[in-house]
Amino acid sequence: QQQVKQSPQSLIVQKGGIPIINCAYENTAFDYFPWYQQFPGKGPALLIAIRPDVSEKKEGRFTISFNKSAKQFSLHIMDSQPGDSATYFCAARPTPDRGSTLGRLYFGRGTQLTVWP
Amino acid sequence: DGGITQSPKYLFRKEGQNVTLSCEQNLNHDAMYWYRQDPGQGLRLIYYSQIVNDFQKGDIAEGYSVSREKKESFPLTVTSAQKNPTAFYLCATKAGGGRETQYFGPGTRLLVL
Repeated sequence: QQQVKQSPQSLIVQKGGIPIINCAYENTAFDYFPWYQQFPGKGPALLIAIRPDVSEKKEGRFTISFNKSAKQFSLHIMDSQPGDSATYFCAARPTPDRGSTLGRLYFGRGTQLTVWP
Repeated sequence: DGGITQSPKYLFRKEGQNVTLSCEQNLNHDAMYWYRQDPGQGLRLIYYSQIVNDFQKGDIAEGYSVSREKKESFPLTVTSAQKNPTAFYLCATKAGGGRETQYFGPGTRLLVL
């Protein structure tokens, strides 16, 4: 059962476009939502993250929009560049509790983004 | 150079053979994780460890084993019971004290001969 559903699977945009990647979840115990960027043959790296007490977070050209009531969040890349071509993963973390789930993430299946020059 | 080291970069396994993937970190992070990545499947958690000498199964632990004898090291053994081991394996770490970010190593690609 996929805890975090991500779409689309792939996305192609022209340079300067604004690709949008969407994620949805059901578990209301999730309280931390990071996005990771991965280049071919490399490990993922944290891009930006948000908590559910805010509806939007910006870091440079990357913005997360968060809709708590709809249990959805999305990544927007402003003025996309060919160097942004990578695979993007959304993830979610359950609220830390006394159980052994502390720190584990549930990942979406990834979106392969291609930005044409 | 600090960070997370995974070795080897490529690993070949013969049928019926156990192989061990290395993950070492000098970040002094408490938690360590192993993920498996297959095309179109995202990252799936195999095992994770919050402290030395303690670890928990993730979502796809069958056919894998781990140990956490030192804080710096979290090796993953792919046993012969794992019938479809070909994948990209990623190790990650996270600091304690409420820190949230997981940091990933460069990965090991395992191929079956």
